[in-house]
Amino acid sequence: DSGVTQTPKHLITATGQRVTLRCSPRSGDLSVYWYQQSLDQGLQFLIQYYNGEERAKGNILERFSAQQFPDLHSELNLSSLELGDSALYFCASSVATSGDEQFFGPGTRLTVL
Amino acid sequence: QQQVKQSPQSLIVQKGGISIINCAYENTAFDYFPWYQQFPGKGPALLIAIRPDVSEKKEGRFTISFNKSAKQFSLHIMDSQPGDSATYFCAASGGNQGGKLIFGQGTELSVKP
Repeated sequence: DSGVTQTPKHLITATGQRVTLRCSPRSGDLSVYWYQQSLDQGLQFLIQYYNGEERAKGNILERFSAQQFPDLHSELNLSSLELGDSALYFCASSVATSGDEQFFGPGTRLTVL
Repeated sequence: QQQVKQSPQSLIVQKGGISIINCAYENTAFDYFPWYQQFPGKGPALLIAIRPDVSEKKEGRFTISFNKSAKQFSLHIMDSQPGDSATYFCAASGGNQGGKLIFGQGTELSVKP
């Protein structure tokens, strides 16, 4: 157990819908990262927050947004969902802003029908 | 310049043998190189990591070898066990990328009893 929690574990929804994925980092970690894992794209970095501020952005679609709250938990919002958005979404956390020692949560499996 | 190339895609090793997975990178600004282990249905787990100022790091049966001039690094799993059967990912981060981890494509390791 990495200490990073993610909810829900599974999510099944329809095209065009909007969903919210939630992540709680390990105690003491200030950075939260979101990654997408799919068979064709592998593990792709989406976005990083550090203590509530956006620090780095990857190939995140405009339909996707994220935020980190004062209690350091983070939410990833996915809207206007498409079939191709079906994937595993992982949250990771670390103490610092660098990429060092990122600990991953168990993931949310999103299925868009 | 952002890619991390990993090989082989899959690997079958006999119990007790040595598993070797290789990665190559282009961006010389990268300064942190972790390896992650992922079991089906689980999030990636940090296994071992290295920085470019050392050529080798060993933790138990796992060793990273790092060749800065060749921009390559590899994971060696000594005395491989069936419980090591998993997918292994190399990654890199650093420079002005914030905490962004760039992952290799993954290697599916199967250790036969």
